[in-house]
Amino acid sequence: GIQVEQSPPDLILQEGANSTLRCNFSDSVNNLQWFHQNPWGQLINLFYIPSGTKQNGRLSATTVATERYSLLYISSSQTTDSGVYFCAAFSNDYKLSFGAGTTVTVRA
Amino acid sequence: GAGVSQSPRYKVTKRGQDVALRCDPISGHVSLYWYRQALGQGPEFLTYFNYEAQQDKSGLPNDRFSAERPEGSISTLTIQRTEQRDSAMYRCATMAGMNSPLHFGNGTRLTVT
Repeated sequence: GIQVEQSPPDLILQEGANSTLRCNFSDSVNNLQWFHQNPWGQLINLFYIPSGTKQNGRLSATTVATERYSLLYISSSQTTDSGVYFCAAFSNDYKLSFGAGTTVTVRA
Repeated sequence: GAGVSQSPRYKVTKRGQDVALRCDPISGHVSLYWYRQALGQGPEFLTYFNYEAQQDKSGLPNDRFSAERPEGSISTLTIQRTEQRDSAMYRCATMAGMNSPLHFGNGTRLTVT
C-alpha cells in the first residue's frame, strides 16, 4: 500500500493561533482524506481532497497531487480543535493507509 | 441510520473466547472496510468488501481473524480464541463508491483479559 508520512508529530498552540499540518504520500492517489480524532475517540471526516483546495469554516486543505503532498490549515485555533489529525490515502489498491497522525493541543 | 453503526461499543472478554463485532453500514454504501487501531497509533487496514465479495484480506493478522458480509450490507468481524494482543479499537468504515469519502463508525473497544 501507499506510504503516508505526517508532520509534525506534535503541535502545541495558543488559542487563536494558526497552524499548518503536512502529509506526504509515496504514490499517486485516488483518495486522500483528513480526519480529526477527538478526545472521545471518534474519527471525524474533515476533507475528501485527492486534489485541489477546499475550505470548511476555520479549516482548509490543499492537495498538490503532482508533488504528492497535502496540507491542512487551522486558523484561529480553539480548544475544541485539540485531538489527533490523521491523513489517509489510497492508490490503485483501494486500501486506505493512515499516517501516524499529528497530535494538536490548543491551550486557552 | 444516518451513519455507520458498530456494536457493541465496548467488549471485555477473557483470553481464549471468541468474539463477533458487528458493522451496520450507511444505506446503499457498496464498500465496507475493517480497521484496527492500537492506542497512540493510526488505524491499520484489515480487510474490505465490495458488496458481499471480500476483495482484500491481506491485513488480517492471522487465521483467527475472519470477516463476512453475506448479503452485501451488515458485516461481522470474528476473532477466535482471543489473545491479549488483540485488545484494540476495531473500526468499520463504508464508502458509496470508489471516488467518494470513507465514513467511519464509532468503533468497538475490545479488551481481552
